Amino acid sequence: AQTVTQSQPEMSVQEAETVTLSCTYDTSESNYYLFWYKQPPSRQMILVIRQEAYKQQNATENRFSVNFQKAAKSFSLKISDSQLGDTAMYFCAPGGTSYGKLTFGQGTILTVHP
Amino acid sequence: GAVVSQHPSWVICKSGTSVKIECRSLDFQATTMFWYRQFPKQSLMLMATSNEGSKATYEQGVEKDKFLINHASLTLSTLTVTSAHPEDSSFYICSARGPTDEAFFGQGTRLTVV
Repeated sequence: AQTVTQSQPEMSVQEAETVTLSCTYDTSESNYYLFWYKQPPSRQMILVIRQEAYKQQNATENRFSVNFQKAAKSFSLKISDSQLGDTAMYFCAPGGTSYGKLTFGQGTILTVHP
Repeated sequence: GAVVSQHPSWVICKSGTSVKIECRSLDFQATTMFWYRQFPKQSLMLMATSNEGSKATYEQGVEKDKFLINHASLTLSTLTVTSAHPEDSSFYICSARGPTDEAFFGQGTRLTVV
């Protein structure tokens, strides 16, 4: 079983600034993956970044990076140089090794202001 | 990249009728698909896991007789909401495990029952 907590229901940032979204989770699986998805107003789910739990190195994808603390079961997302197109709802989601199946956090609504 | 197509994008039906939602993997085979339900500004809640050629696995609290799932081929899963009522109005999203082992999502279906 997996549980996910995103403690920031809403966040706001100015364009070009940096913002960090927090996520803590719990899982009974020994091998798992962690994902951040964004859901813009179109409601299409878009993969932002993923992290394999067995890897110590934090994943990076252009302006997006994670701070993965396995022992603390923390998986935060940092967005650098925020852009207006980053405005969306962001979901943290751990998944098992058959990681089509995901458990989603409550979500954080991020608004980027010009 | 892998594409999942969901149809229709939106549907309005009368209370008491049934409505079918299709989820297709366009360029890959998906032995497993997932169906989620999402209320406005809330998280995605897993309803069921759809397995090709076998019965779906429903999450606790989901009525299997109301939400019928059929996964008759490697590229198509369908969700039928039977005897729909206004409380079934929601946004329904499907996903499939793609060839690179990540989840790919359909565009979602907005169901309104009047």
